Amino acid sequence: AQSVTQLGSHVSVSEGALVLLRCNYSSSVPPYLFWYVQYPNQGLQLLLKYTSAATLVKGINGFEAEFKKSETSFHLTKPSAHMSDAAEYFCAVSEPQDMRFGAGTRLTVKP
Amino acid sequence: DTEVTQTPKHLVMGMTNKKSLKCEQHMGHRAMYWYKQKAKKPPELMFVYSYEKLSINESVPSRFSPECPNSSLLNLHLHALQPEDSALYLCASSQVGPNTEAFFGQGTRLTVV
Repeated sequence: AQSVTQLGSHVSVSEGALVLLRCNYSSSVPPYLFWYVQYPNQGLQLLLKYTSAATLVKGINGFEAEFKKSETSFHLTKPSAHMSDAAEYFCAVSEPQDMRFGAGTRLTVKP
Repeated sequence: DTEVTQTPKHLVMGMTNKKSLKCEQHMGHRAMYWYKQKAKKPPELMFVYSYEKLSINESVPSRFSPECPNSSLLNLHLHALQPEDSALYLCASSQVGPNTEAFFGQGTRLTVV
């Protein structure tokens, strides 16, 4: 089965700084990759997904992710962090009807 | 309508109780899911229904019993739960097929006492 690994359970940045959340996948075939965000006591909201049409994927709230096959990575970035970005972020890989999540990265944004 | 609605939002039940969690979507999705999420952990897949038929059961204990009465509804029947079953239970739905994102409900916070 395919899987994803998120490096860093906790990332802390200052407001206005670059956000980088790391995700590596293990797959011998092109994977279906997603990033979700979860705010406290909420469900998961889709940020973006990799469609293979483009290696750089733009999502909501100013986030984007770049698919790098050579590095088996799909890292999430945002040029300038906002206080409202503080949340838990999950990378996920999907086989049809079988979506699996990474362990998650908690993003803290300092004023 | 891009919502998945879960009821109740909070549930406290004793170990001898029987209760049900409900999930509803009107996006025309034919795949529906139950996930369990413990604090500070990722969601763990429990069950998947595809075209109203159970397609994945991740070796979940029989005290959890899923039901998909129609293409819009998904239930999770609970009986004789243990305190360690306390968690956030998330419902999701998606189109059937590859590379389809799942839409999640807000979850039911379950506490077993």
